[in-house]
Amino acid sequence: EAQVTQNPRYLITVTGKKLTVTCSQNMNHEYMSWYRQDPGLGLRQIYYSMNVEVTDKGDVPEGYKVSRKEKRNFPLILESPSPNQTSLYFCASISAGHSNGYTFGSGTRLTVV
Amino acid sequence: AQSVTQLDSQVPVFEEAPVELRCNYSSSVSVYLFWYVQYPNQGLQLLLKYLSGSTLVKGINGFEAEFNKSQTSFHLRKPSVHISDTAEYFCAVSLTSFGGSQGNLIFGKGTKLSVKP
Repeated sequence: EAQVTQNPRYLITVTGKKLTVTCSQNMNHEYMSWYRQDPGLGLRQIYYSMNVEVTDKGDVPEGYKVSRKEKRNFPLILESPSPNQTSLYFCASISAGHSNGYTFGSGTRLTVV
Repeated sequence: AQSVTQLDSQVPVFEEAPVELRCNYSSSVSVYLFWYVQYPNQGLQLLLKYLSGSTLVKGINGFEAEFNKSQTSFHLRKPSVHISDTAEYFCAVSLTSFGGSQGNLIFGKGTKLSVKP
């Protein structure tokens, strides 16, 4: 089954403790992206990657890092989480052909206390 | 730059009634248009998309949307809703030329559809 897999689904952590949210897709998509969803704000792009070793900032990149060492994986790293990063996070991927729209993961609900 | 406006943050409706969720976009270049649905505690699922061709697009679960270029709108409709349609609906646009942040989906802020018995 074609899918984007995120882990974990739920995470509660403390301020300053480094964490990684993993994302993996099995569709051989070139383009991957991370979004955060906040009430009343919709979804906003954090970082994206056009292919292996090619990443760039989206609209709200502060406090986040990403890497793309393999085509299928695109982890989101919070080096020093803060409470304002409490949010629902989605990973998404799309083929360069673009015609089928994005495939989203199931989301990771992060709480930073 | 592109932007998406969903005109209603909440839409309450009775079961079996018709519904329209409104979406307007702003862009100086061609865009692709999407509607996504998010059921409670779940991820986003693609409902339908407009890439080109016929302006009336049919999607899953009986939903359809009409692309109106002159009014820059892409409203979502369903003739008869069910309780199970209760969810949050997101309109989104992306540029038609792919690459860089042009691959980014720009989302509206969402419309919560609440279907009551």
